[in-house]
Amino acid sequence: AQSVTQPDIHITVSEGASLELRCNYSYGATPYLFWYVQSPGQGLQLLLKYFSGDTLVQGIKGFEAEFKRSQSSFNLRKPSVHWSDAAEYFCAVASYSSASKIIFGSGTRLSIRP
Amino acid sequence: KAGVTQTPRYLIKTRGQQVTLSCSPISGHRSVSWYQQTPGQGLQFLFEYFSETQRNKGNFPGRFSGRQFSNSRSEMNVSTLELGDSALYLCASSKDLAGGTYEQYFGPGTRLTVT
Repeated sequence: AQSVTQPDIHITVSEGASLELRCNYSYGATPYLFWYVQSPGQGLQLLLKYFSGDTLVQGIKGFEAEFKRSQSSFNLRKPSVHWSDAAEYFCAVASYSSASKIIFGSGTRLSIRP
Repeated sequence: KAGVTQTPRYLIKTRGQQVTLSCSPISGHRSVSWYQQTPGQGLQFLFEYFSETQRNKGNFPGRFSGRQFSNSRSEMNVSTLELGDSALYLCASSKDLAGGTYEQYFGPGTRLTVT
């Protein structure tokens, strides 16, 4: 069965520092991979997605993620965080045959230290 | 282009009652999916509708049902509410899957509280 693991429940980084949020997935074939962000009281916003091709994908708000098949990982990175990046981040996976059925990780809450 | 809208945004119901939530997708989007978000279980897929037909279904009891209308608007219904149904219910819409690309756009959610 497909699954997504986000090992870090809560991360705090200083404003201006770099960020890496970890995500590991379990899936037999090549998955569709996503990162979403959710601000308090809001819905989910898609940051970036990977379907195929170049394993380094660029997203909105300066985020990027790298698909590493050998490690079953899809970590999210940002070189310099801003206070407005404080939110909950969700990694997710879907398959081509059931692309609408997204399996989400448990989320990582990001706090920014001034 | 207007985003996904969900009504109502907040709802308080009593155990045993039933509730209907509404979702209007982005114009031109034919697929609507529903998710339940709770602190304990996280985000879980409920079901997806495409062209008025349920195409995918998650692992929820039959008390949870949905439908989609010809204009792609969707409703989900929960009957015989339980305290554990208290959650944020998110709706997401997307275009047809043809072409191999896929992207879902989420609404702000409906916060359901069952007392």
